[in-house]
Amino acid sequence: TQLLEQSPQFLSIQEGENLTVYCNSSSVFSSLQWYRQEPGEGPVLLVTVVTGGEVKKLKRLTFQFGDARKDSSLHITAAQPGDTGLYLCAGTTSGTYKYIFGTGTRLKVLA
Amino acid sequence: KAGVTQTPRYLIKTRGQQVTLSCSPISGHRSVSWYQQTPGQGLQFLFEYFSETQRNKGNFPGRFSGRQFSNSRSEMNVSTLELGDSALYLCASSLGVQSNQPQHFGDGTRLSIL
Repeated sequence: TQLLEQSPQFLSIQEGENLTVYCNSSSVFSSLQWYRQEPGEGPVLLVTVVTGGEVKKLKRLTFQFGDARKDSSLHITAAQPGDTGLYLCAGTTSGTYKYIFGTGTRLKVLA
Repeated sequence: KAGVTQTPRYLIKTRGQQVTLSCSPISGHRSVSWYQQTPGQGLQFLFEYFSETQRNKGNFPGRFSGRQFSNSRSEMNVSTLELGDSALYLCASSLGVQSNQPQHFGDGTRLSIL
């Protein structure tokens, strides 16, 4: 069974702090997506990474795909209250068209 | 470009009833996936349809079923509802041609079972 473990599960930080969320698996994924979900809404796609070692930046968010394509991280610089939400990683394996979702990281940024 | 649309947004049913949820994907997307999201279990995959055929299935009982129409719209049906079926049901669409193409989600249907 493929599993994606995210850590930490919960994170409460002050505005302006930096943080990193991790997404780990023993399986190899052909691609990995990161989503943010706010209450009452569906997850919103932030980024897709497909190449081992790939790094993508989205404003203050930096995403990295592990060299072996088994893990990924999301780093937020100078967090803002608008970053509050549930962060989910999701991986796909080649040819399966099936997305395995991580356990989620609930982030709260205090003003 | 219109996003993924799910109807209804909220639904209240009683045990033993059945329910049908609807999902309209992004125009041009041929793959539709359904997920159940609960606080305890997170996002769990139900099934995926591509060109009217179920291509993938999760580990849910046969009470959960779905279908996809020729215009890629999809419906999900749950029969003999149980209290534990209370959840947010999310639909996601993608192009579906390659397995690494990202999914885009609707805002879900919140189903409450009394």
